[in-house]
Amino acid sequence: NAGVTQTPKFQVLKTGQSMTLQCAQDMNHEYMSWYRQDPGMGLRLIHYSVGAGITDQGEVPNGYNVSRSTTEDFPLRLLSAAPSQTSVYFCASSSQEGRTEAFFGQGTRLTVV
Amino acid sequence: KQEVTQIPAALSVPEGENLVLNCSFTDSAIYNLQWFRQDPGKGLTSLLLIQSSQREQTSGRLNASLDKSSGRSTLYIAASQPGDSATYLCAVRNTPLVFGKGTRLSVIA
Repeated sequence: NAGVTQTPKFQVLKTGQSMTLQCAQDMNHEYMSWYRQDPGMGLRLIHYSVGAGITDQGEVPNGYNVSRSTTEDFPLRLLSAAPSQTSVYFCASSSQEGRTEAFFGQGTRLTVV
Repeated sequence: KQEVTQIPAALSVPEGENLVLNCSFTDSAIYNLQWFRQDPGKGLTSLLLIQSSQREQTSGRLNASLDKSSGRSTLYIAASQPGDSATYLCAVRNTPLVFGKGTRLSVIA
């Protein structure tokens, strides 16, 4: 079972570059979300989606865009990377708007120089 | 705004001890509470999920309790082993999942 798959696992960007972090799940989950994890700050919600075509902002959305064109995929876009976006990014999915167990990907470690 | 607090932030115990990790939350209107384990540099592994209508869940040496009215959950680990060393995260679900900052556990052989 693939579960939640994130790519890439590691990435180094220069300030101002753009990139897309990919997230795919094969469990037919409606609910998907993106978190960033920073030392001392814990996991903070960036954006989430309750189904295809529906997205909303979380706690720290600035500098990030998302879209949800299919149930399976929920990419996270950094339009102009900044050093403050250096972090570990996690994608999660669950069914029934989060009333069931959440499954997480293995994370993407992003460094912006 | 939901806030989740985990105490202690770090804990070191000798192998074989039973231990309790604590989690508290400010808004009791939750769907469920989930405990995760995170090894250094790795992703999150789900340990236990407790629905808001439940009082506890057990899996092997792990037992999690939930007292929604008081906004508290505990994770009990019996007969700890060095392989239990990791960071344990508590998360509560209103609609998004809100995390505590975790308890870093070290079990010394």
